[in-house]
Amino acid sequence: EAAVTQSPRNKVTVTGGNVTLSCRQTNSHNYMYWYRQDTGHGLRLIHYSYGAGNLQIGDVPDGYKATRTTQEDFFLLLELASPSQTSLYFCASSAPLGTYEQYFGPGTRLTVL
Amino acid sequence: LAKTTQPPSMEAYEGQEVNVSCSHTNIATSEYIYWYRQVPHQGPQFIIQGYKDYVVNEVASLFISADRKLSTLSLPWVSLRDAAVYYCIVTDILLSGSFNKLTFGAGTRLAVCP
Repeated sequence: EAAVTQSPRNKVTVTGGNVTLSCRQTNSHNYMYWYRQDTGHGLRLIHYSYGAGNLQIGDVPDGYKATRTTQEDFFLLLELASPSQTSLYFCASSAPLGTYEQYFGPGTRLTVL
Repeated sequence: LAKTTQPPSMEAYEGQEVNVSCSHTNIATSEYIYWYRQVPHQGPQFIIQGYKDYVVNEVASLFISADRKLSTLSLPWVSLRDAAVYYCIVTDILLSGSFNKLTFGAGTRLAVCP
């Protein structure tokens, strides 16, 4: 079974705060993704990566940075958090292009006060 | 990418077979159909994928109409654990640079009654 873990599982910060969400996959997958999920919007893609050092912009990238340090680790950075970034964040990984089966982590609930 | 339309919600009793429909009238010849589900407090989980005709695995079956404009996910003998949001996703695997990009809509919320 493919494994994707996220930390922290819950995070509360204040407006303007600096937050880093972590994701690790042990699937040996090339591709990793960050999504946010909000009521009424479904899952929306923030950033994604096809390997260490690579970063691609998703559909809702504003206010987010990401970094892929290794094949296993993908980080999402909010350098000046805003209340609009209060959301449930999911990380996912997938094998090379074509399979489209993505494996999701358990999610991180972020609250920005 | 083809747009998908699903019913917003469905309800079933335990032990029933449930069929969740998905309309994708503008599906292109290079696009495949994927189904995911998400139970509360968890990330989405892949169920099944298909291109045409009929696909079955240990979890579900997928019927795709001859013109590929409609697909139906069939869940046999649902239990309370099958209560989830079911997402139908159509994506073009031949599109250069697509990077396995999945676009999730609102999905169909399935409620299962004991």
